[in-house]
Amino acid sequence: GENVEQHPSTLSVQEGDSAVIKCTYSDSASNYFPWYKQELGKGPQLIIDIRSNVGEKKDQRIAVTLNKTAKHFSLHITETQPEDSAVYFCAASNWASGGATNKLIFGTGTLLAVQP
Amino acid sequence: NAGVMQNPRHLVRRRGQEARLRCSPMKGHSHVYWYRQLPEEGLKFMVYLQKENIIDESGMPKERFSAEFPKEGPSILRIQQVVRGDSAAYFCASSRADRRRTEAFFGQGTRLTVV
Repeated sequence: GENVEQHPSTLSVQEGDSAVIKCTYSDSASNYFPWYKQELGKGPQLIIDIRSNVGEKKDQRIAVTLNKTAKHFSLHITETQPEDSAVYFCAASNWASGGATNKLIFGTGTLLAVQP
Repeated sequence: NAGVMQNPRHLVRRRGQEARLRCSPMKGHSHVYWYRQLPEEGLKFMVYLQKENIIDESGMPKERFSAEFPKEGPSILRIQQVVRGDSAAYFCASSRADRRRTEAFFGQGTRLTVV
């Protein structure tokens, strides 16, 4: 079945350093890859996403890369700040208008701790 | 433009009671998804609904769990005869029916505690 693996499970960086989280998906039909940030006691917040027709997307300090051949995608956070500390989840879906497979399959999460 | 609204935020039920969780999607969104998150774990898909239709319920337990998204009103996730193992955070997400706008936005969740 569909599966998304995410590494590392925990990541500690110094403020100002970069953080990289990696995910691998199993369903080659996946075409949409969002990343969510979840703070304690809150719901997941969409921070960036990428579609399968794009190899890289950037939004200020956050970037996502996609390698369709290897079925890998990664989140890059530069110049990390203490407020970046949270759990980050990657996800994958095979999205189609009116389709029956639009569900997101999530990775197991990465706890990012940014040390001041 | 309000986001995805879930209520209640916290729900305590005794074993054997029923739990009803509500989700109002964002304005303009016709797709609703329910996910369950156990403590310190990831989000597990439960069910995907469009108005008056269950599209994919492959993640729903076979018994005691049901979901609906009526023509009018919020989506409801119903858990009958709750057991301690049902204690978790239940999140609802919504999205548009537009392949160019596939973003799914989550609510703040309902934290169910079964005592």
